[in-house]
Amino acid sequence: AQTIHQWPVAEIKAVGSPLSLGCTIKGKSSPNLYWYWQATGGTLQQLFYSITVGQVESVVQLNLSASRPKDDQFILSTEKLLLSHSGFYLCAWSLMGNERLFFGHGTKLSVL
Amino acid sequence: GDSVTQTEGLVTLTEGLPVMLNCTYQTIYSNPFLFWYVQHLNESPRLLLKSFTDNKRTEHQGFHATLHKSSSSFHLQKSSAQLSDSALYYCARLAHNTNTGKLTFGDGTVLTVKP
Repeated sequence: AQTIHQWPVAEIKAVGSPLSLGCTIKGKSSPNLYWYWQATGGTLQQLFYSITVGQVESVVQLNLSASRPKDDQFILSTEKLLLSHSGFYLCAWSLMGNERLFFGHGTKLSVL
Repeated sequence: GDSVTQTEGLVTLTEGLPVMLNCTYQTIYSNPFLFWYVQHLNESPRLLLKSFTDNKRTEHQGFHATLHKSSSSFHLQKSSAQLSDSALYYCARLAHNTNTGKLTFGDGTVLTVKP
């Protein structure tokens, strides 16, 4: 069975501090991977996607970056957090372009 | 370009009444793929319905939707609302110009079902 794991579950960080969020998918090889962001009370906004190791495309950067160091791993990071980075970050995967998205449980980020 | 419009931001219903959440889309492609995702409080979104066949009704968990290419619509319906249906509902369509699985989401509709 496929599993998607995001870490951490929640973070409270100071403005200007660095951030690294992780996502691991087990049970599927070469998935498409995505990072979504959801502001409190806001809609889902796709940030990045990756269809293969080492390749990441940016949709909306928001002063964030993403990397895919392994086939099953997707990392979201920034060197300096902004207040506007607060929200809910969701990792998701799919196998093909017309397949459903499977979301992880998300990371709630509070920037103070 | 690709866009999805959900006209209602907030829908409040009494239990037992019918549900209809609107979704229209814009695309230059003739074969759109449409989805409804549901997100309950403190949970992640999960797929509720999907369709890419014109005029074919798709159903799941009491909800149904029909893709109508003539009106570019994919409205979500249910005959009788339940308290547990209270959630955030997203309509989404797949971007066809890539193989990336990129979904364009609508702004979402918060459905609140009251006793």
